[in-house]
Amino acid sequence: NAGVTQTPKFQVLKTGQSMTLQCAQDMNHNSMYWYRQDPGMGLRLIYYSASEGTTDKGEVPNGYNVSRLNKREFSLRLESAAPSQTSVYFCASRARPLNEKLFFGSGTQLSVL
Amino acid sequence: SQELEQSPQSLIVQEGKNLTINCTSSKTLYGLYWYKQKYGEGLIFLMMLQKGGEEKSHEKITAKLDEKKQQSSLHITASQPSHAGIYLCGAPLSSGAGSYQLTFGKGTKLSVIP
Repeated sequence: NAGVTQTPKFQVLKTGQSMTLQCAQDMNHNSMYWYRQDPGMGLRLIYYSASEGTTDKGEVPNGYNVSRLNKREFSLRLESAAPSQTSVYFCASRARPLNEKLFFGSGTQLSVL
Repeated sequence: SQELEQSPQSLIVQEGKNLTINCTSSKTLYGLYWYKQKYGEGLIFLMMLQKGGEEKSHEKITAKLDEKKQQSSLHITASQPSHAGIYLCGAPLSSGAGSYQLTFGKGTKLSVIP
């Protein structure tokens, strides 16, 4: 059972380039999340999808877009990357909003030069 | 919005010593999650607490949620090098629609010296 799979694991972009981070879960979870982790800032929620077909902004959505492609997949897109988006990105999923833990992917380390 | 403050920010202990990490919320907690992260890896779930006064243990780690539900503590007994890492607490913003959103503390970095 793979759990939450993120690709790529590492990526280097130049300022202004675009890219999509992919996330897939095989646990039939309803909710999926994208977080970024920066030194001294902890984990901050970018976007989440409470269920298939819905997406909502989290704490730091500016500069990002998301797509809940189907129940399994939730992608995060950077249309025009900026150095401030250099971070480690984590995707997570869970079955229900209450009483269920988040399962995290192993992260994507993104550097924007 | 709800904020979770963790203390201490970092901790260095000698192997075999006990330690406690605290997580304090600015609002009532509707559940509290503890995760551990090793450098360069994802987050590993440790425990979840839901009710005020609840206490859970797994191996040498015990977590409590206080009666007033605004603070949680994570206690490690007889620490080992394998306990080293970053510990994060997380909680839903509210009990309603906000329960979909989990906010996290900034983490406590634990180092265990052999």
